[in-house]
Amino acid sequence: GIQVEQSPPDLILQEGANSTLRCNFSDSVNNLQWFHQNPWGQLINLFYIPSGTKQNGRLSATTVATERYSLLYISSSQTTDSGVYFCAVERGTDKLIFGTGTRLQVFP
Amino acid sequence: GAVVSQHPSWVICKSGTSVKIECRSLDFQATTMFWYRQFPKQSLMLMATSNEGSKATYEQGVEKDKFLINHASLTLSTLTVTSAHPEDSSFYICSAKSAGRTEAFFGQGTRLTVV
Repeated sequence: GIQVEQSPPDLILQEGANSTLRCNFSDSVNNLQWFHQNPWGQLINLFYIPSGTKQNGRLSATTVATERYSLLYISSSQTTDSGVYFCAVERGTDKLIFGTGTRLQVFP
Repeated sequence: GAVVSQHPSWVICKSGTSVKIECRSLDFQATTMFWYRQFPKQSLMLMATSNEGSKATYEQGVEKDKFLINHASLTLSTLTVTSAHPEDSSFYICSAKSAGRTEAFFGQGTRLTVV
């Protein structure tokens, strides 16, 4: 099956810093989503981005489908950005396969 | 829009008993629902996919007789963990998609502890 690897696995930042999270996938996909899992476990949809670039406030994402990767940019990070960020991909079916995740901690 | 509600948020049960978890789509018709399991500090692992009115499709290695899934309506799917054991303790999360949407939306999860 398709493999989805994220890097870095852990990231520690001070408030105000910028960061880039990466998602690599091993095969072509027809759907890619980014999620933020908060400390209570809730998954929050950030982006649906099978290709191209999108921005939403301090967050933006870019997917280069031909090269099988996606990037999530967080600018001016805040403590509320802490949690785990997952990318998830779908290939030919309705099933979302999750990546390994990046655990982000933002300190004041 | 696109709200998925999961209940209960947490449950503690004794070994050998069964536990039912509900997943509801509140503002859309969920033609397909998914159940995931997440162990501490790990990613989400897909357990099964259910389509309204038909039998669930289980991922390899998931015991269908232990994890009973019912998708009886376009707004409700249930996961029943039968004869629960401590190793079934985990965080269970559902998600839902409608035929008209490409995004999946997730419930808030259920933390199951079997003692």
